[in-house]
Amino acid sequence: DIQMTQSPSSLSASVRDRVTITCRASQGIGIWLAWYQQKPEKAPKSLIYAASTLQSGVPSRFSGSGSGTHFTLTISSLQPEDFATYYCQQYSSYPRTFGQGTKVEIK
Amino acid sequence: QVQLVQSGAEVKKPGASVKVSCKASGYTFSGYHVHWVRQAPGQGLEWMGWINPKSGGATYAQKFQGRVTMTRDTSISTAYMELSRLTSDDTAVYYCAREDLVAVPAEFDYWGQGTLVTVSS
Repeated sequence: DIQMTQSPSSLSASVRDRVTITCRASQGIGIWLAWYQQKPEKAPKSLIYAASTLQSGVPSRFSGSGSGTHFTLTISSLQPEDFATYYCQQYSSYPRTFGQGTKVEIK
Repeated sequence: QVQLVQSGAEVKKPGASVKVSCKASGYTFSGYHVHWVRQAPGQGLEWMGWINPKSGGATYAQKFQGRVTMTRDTSISTAYMELSRLTSDDTAVYYCAREDLVAVPAEFDYWGQGTLVTVSS
């Protein structure tokens, strides 16, 4: 199975801060990586697919990059509604696996 | 608009089975795989398996082999996930999510609202 490792596990940031979350795959997955945002008691929401393509309706302050084994999710200017937990997921092979999550909290 | 609407919360005793439904609307049901993902309290996301609504074929994560069955009823655009021999470790929110069958491999672009399954004696 492909292991997905996110860092950090949590972070504290202020509104308008630039935030970067890293996701590493235990083996190469090409660009088959997605990012999801999950707010408390809600289902995950798709933000980015194919490593860097924004889902329709997702604000442009979100961006993704990377390929192979190293990926990043960047929020260029953190907004109040962005405080949530973020998960990466590889869909290069089965079983589909997720990172452990990164909780973005208010400083 | 695309919607995946899941059945309501369940409370089960250890050893019992649970069957969760996921009703799709707003798109062609047979055009998207349905995946099931669960999340234990305070934990991350765990993929369980998927079903192809067109063929009915399903693939399960090794961890759940022999205990999970995924089915569908195309006449009502609904997918089902049944988990048997429940233990307290199966207490979790269970989500369905869709994947574009044409774009495979693809991300899960829409998710159901989740179904809380509580296993308690």
